[in-house]
Amino acid sequence: GDSVTQMEGPVTLSEEAFLTINCTYTATGYPSLFWYVQYPGEGLQLLLKATKADDKGSNKGFEATYRKETTSFHLEKGSVQVSDSAVYFCALIGSSNTGKLIFGQGTTLQVKP
Amino acid sequence: ETGVTQTPRHLVMGMTNKKSLKCEQHLGHNAMYWYKQSAKKPLELMFVYNFKEQTENNSVPSRFSPECPNSSHLFLHLHTLQPEDSALYLCASSSLAGGRNEQFFGPGTRLTVL
Repeated sequence: GDSVTQMEGPVTLSEEAFLTINCTYTATGYPSLFWYVQYPGEGLQLLLKATKADDKGSNKGFEATYRKETTSFHLEKGSVQVSDSAVYFCALIGSSNTGKLIFGQGTTLQVKP
Repeated sequence: ETGVTQTPRHLVMGMTNKKSLKCEQHLGHNAMYWYKQSAKKPLELMFVYNFKEQTENNSVPSRFSPECPNSSHLFLHLHTLQPEDSALYLCASSSLAGGRNEQFFGPGTRLTVL
């Protein structure tokens, strides 16, 4: 079945450092890919998405590119802030169109001043 | 109110209690979802409703009973829960179930079962 694998956390960075959170997926066909963010004490917010190969999703300085050849959707940000500290979830909806979101296990990011 | 709201935000209950979680969406969506988020586990989809009809039950124990009276409201009725049911319960909505429609999440109810 479809699945998502994220890098283990926590990831600890200093402010203004470069961020990469790796995400790879297993799915048939062409799934839609998402990054969600969960700030402490809150629900999940959609951060960005990409629906076809080579699409780049971007929002709030975060970017991720849908790479079909490597089945990856890595999240990047050039300069993180303390306010980016949160848990980041990579997810997919498979091409079977059931609408079922499959999540990775989440990666905790801690940014220190 | 905008988006997806959930009440209560925190709930502590004993194993013999009966309680209900409420979710309301103000986005005009037709599909609603319940997820369970436990520590150190991926989010688990529990139930899906599309136009008030349940379209998915992800092998959830019968001590969890969902109810969807209309497309804007979703409840999760709880009875005789176990301590391992303690988790964050998240509600989400989307324009339709199926397809690639993004889901919008509420803030969750933090449930503790004693």
